[in-house]
Amino acid sequence: KAGVTQTPRYLIKTRGQQVTLSCSPISGHRSVSWYQQTPGQGLQFLFEYFSETQRNKGNFPGRFSGRQFSNSRSEMNVSTLELGDSALYLCASSLEVFEQFFGPGTRLTVL
Amino acid sequence: QQQVKQSPQSLIVQKGGISIINCAYENTAFDYFPWYQQFPGKGPALLIAIRPDVSEKKEGRFTISFNKSAKQFSLHIMDSQPGDSATYFCAASSLSNDYKLSFGAGTTVTVRA
Repeated sequence: KAGVTQTPRYLIKTRGQQVTLSCSPISGHRSVSWYQQTPGQGLQFLFEYFSETQRNKGNFPGRFSGRQFSNSRSEMNVSTLELGDSALYLCASSLEVFEQFFGPGTRLTVL
Repeated sequence: QQQVKQSPQSLIVQKGGISIINCAYENTAFDYFPWYQQFPGKGPALLIAIRPDVSEKKEGRFTISFNKSAKQFSLHIMDSQPGDSATYFCAASSLSNDYKLSFGAGTTVTVRA
């Protein structure tokens, strides 16, 4: 069974731009969560979607948003990028609510 | 505010030795405690997980010990191998509440041959 895939793997943007990251969960998984990983703050929860509904949201500003499609694929969007948004963005999928399986991440660099 | 405190930040162990990583939590609603292993350039991989109804779980060379009254849990890596060199994260979540994983800060383990 294929794992979680994330595209693109690497991205370079400049301040003020916006970016969209994509995540395809493991086949059959309906829950998709997003996390931000930085050296300073570690792994922090962004939001979680289940059957196209956002069930939970972390403590991030409104510039961070996401959505989930009917095929469980998910996207997250960051608008008005700031230097501090440079991070590894990780997507995780799960069949129910536990055993989250992570993708390889998208490395975002904001210049 | 970090909900899961992890220590040590890093450790070095000789091949064949035991690596021990400790985590502590405050939120009594947590009822699921996974450990993840992450190699450079990769996403975290689920290693082993425990629920609070058991005090120990073993999978191969990896063992989780759980102390509910102390709100602490730990990962033991027995017979450590150079291939175990990675960053390990403990995490916790409330399966009946908000599903999100709260992660510890991570421990970088280096196994010397």
